[in-house]
Amino acid sequence: AQSVTQLDSQVPVFEEAPVELRCNYSSSVSVYLFWYVQYPNQGLQLLLKYLSGSTLVKGINGFEAEFNKSQTSFHLRKPSVHISDTAEYFCAVSDSGGYQKVTFGIGTKLQVIP
Amino acid sequence: DAGVIQSPRHEVTEMGQEVTLRCKPISGHDYLFWYRQTMMRGLELLIYFNNNVPIDDSGMPEDRFSAKMPNASFSTLKIQPSEPRDSAVYFCASSQQTQQYFGPGTRLTVT
Repeated sequence: AQSVTQLDSQVPVFEEAPVELRCNYSSSVSVYLFWYVQYPNQGLQLLLKYLSGSTLVKGINGFEAEFNKSQTSFHLRKPSVHISDTAEYFCAVSDSGGYQKVTFGIGTKLQVIP
Repeated sequence: DAGVIQSPRHEVTEMGQEVTLRCKPISGHDYLFWYRQTMMRGLELLIYFNNNVPIDDSGMPEDRFSAKMPNASFSTLKIQPSEPRDSAVYFCASSQQTQQYFGPGTRLTVT
């Protein structure tokens, strides 16, 4: 079974500043990794995913994440945040062999301060 | 495509009543998922289907919860009888491969 730990429940950051949202996972098998974003009163939507290949993954809205197998991490970064990035971000993991069953982290609320 | 459609968007009911949540997945997607989201427990997978067949229902909290998928374009999640601790946002999602597409959710309040 896999598990996901999102180390920060809330992250306040000033507009145009960089941000990193941390995610660590545990699994005994090879994994797929995802970041989803949830805006208020909406469902989750995919930001980016790592399946294989390059460990640096670029997603929508200027976000990127880096898969680090030795540290079992998949941190999300953006060099300059905008007010519209205020949302909750979920890291998720699945077994690459049974990828449909996804385990989500508890979420990190990103608050962008004008 | 209209995306995943859920109804109702909001449901308020009294303890002991039956509640039925509905979901229409994206056409062509062969997997359908039901999740529950609460502040305390985050996003939990309740059950998922592949080609209308339930594959894993280990997340269903108890016998009061049941889910069906009678055809490729419709699924229901039923709670009978409902209890206040069932209050949550329930999401339906569908997928064809690795990416899941979520509906807007149903906010259930049981008083």
